[in-house]
Amino acid sequence: DAGVIQSPRHEVTEMGQEVTLRCKPISGHDYLFWYRQTMMRGLELLIYFNNNVPIDDSGMPEDRFSAKMPNASFSTLKIQPSEPRDSAVYFCASSRGELAGRETQYFGPGTRLLVL
Amino acid sequence: GQSLEQPSEVTAVEGAIVQINCTYQTSGFYGLSWYQQHDGGAPTFLSYNGLDGLEETGRFSSFLSRSDSYGYLLLQELQMKDSASYFCAVRGLEYGNKLVFGAGTILRVKS
Repeated sequence: DAGVIQSPRHEVTEMGQEVTLRCKPISGHDYLFWYRQTMMRGLELLIYFNNNVPIDDSGMPEDRFSAKMPNASFSTLKIQPSEPRDSAVYFCASSRGELAGRETQYFGPGTRLLVL
Repeated sequence: GQSLEQPSEVTAVEGAIVQINCTYQTSGFYGLSWYQQHDGGAPTFLSYNGLDGLEETGRFSSFLSRSDSYGYLLLQELQMKDSASYFCAVRGLEYGNKLVFGAGTILRVKS
């Protein structure tokens, strides 16, 4: 299996522009997670999906952020408009259904976003 | 609310043994996981403890005491490639299916 695939790997944009991050989870995994990692705040869960349905988006910082999962093999995280404070590494992760919490989350390589 | 505490940084010598501790506070605790992240890389799963005791995987072991809300990751025969950040993460009933990560411990292995 190719693992979790994310694109782009790097993104540099200007404040106010729309940014779209993409993720393809591991085939057969029914959970998908979006995380953001910064030095100041560490690894934060933004939103997660189960069977393509958003379950918990309480970590989404504000209305500028939105995420969709139109099918089992694709998800997007969109920031519109982007701001310099959104600069971070964004990870997508996927896992199988839980087994009393034992499931492993497999992370993609991340998208390094810089908003100027 | 949740709380996870782990040391911010640990330094050890190649070939030595190092222990990274993690204390947590959560209700409806499911289990404690450990992830490794090399600089510039993605977190990767190392181990999971759902029950008290020690889980061993090669040079790495992880321990859990549910009564003490405490766990640790033990790395033996340290190698330079073990230099990385190590995160403990908990799942609890109050979080649903979320995995809540600690701030991470930077391990520096010196020759």
